[in-house]
Amino acid sequence: QLLESGGDLVQPGGSLRLSCAASGFTFAHYAMNWVRQAPGKGLEWVSAIGANGDETHYADSVKGRFTISRDNSKNTLDLQMNSLRGDDTAIYYCAKSDCNGAGCRLLNFWGQGTLVSVSS
Amino acid sequence: DIQMTQSPSTLSASVGDRVTITCRASQSISYWLAWFQHKPGKAPKLLMQKASSLESGVPSRFSGGGSGTEFTLTISSLQPDDFATYYCQQYSDNSRTFGQGTKVEIK
Repeated sequence: QLLESGGDLVQPGGSLRLSCAASGFTFAHYAMNWVRQAPGKGLEWVSAIGANGDETHYADSVKGRFTISRDNSKNTLDLQMNSLRGDDTAIYYCAKSDCNGAGCRLLNFWGQGTLVSVSS
Repeated sequence: DIQMTQSPSTLSASVGDRVTITCRASQSISYWLAWFQHKPGKAPKLLMQKASSLESGVPSRFSGGGSGTEFTLTISSLQPDDFATYYCQQYSDNSRTFGQGTKVEIK
């Protein structure tokens, strides 16, 4: 199971930290991702992190503003979002990769998402 | 980045119909293509990987095909549970781009 939390209404320029609690699998063995869906839009991959946390990837749209991290002792995945903009408004999903490297790109299990709204 | 284009955007069909969704990549992705089913308020669900490999537990009425730049997802006999939005996604490179989605709705 993947359970996201932390979504909220935040002003433009503000910050927010999302979390994803994992259970039912060996969290430390798999790369993890964040994917988002803006209102009325399709899915957009946001970021990935390798199983041991030493390798990360970001979409160009969030590079330099968002930071992905994980705590394998707590089975949690985080996304620190800074300098938020209106086009960051979306449901953010946590998704598990099918193997352990950050380059493992197949997303084989997803959470139900948490809503982030960026508005003044 | 590799662009993924799905068609149609919306598909109206009846229970029992055979439906096919097409996904085109802007450059060759070999068979590194996945299909997802997404219902409102739910977690997206992986249906197919490597273009044509059905995930465990997914009904056999779903099938996938193609390679290179053209791919299809076919539902052989549409069931009430299949009304949803379907997305293709390439995982050939780190851009990991999705198609814009195909909404399958009741006719």
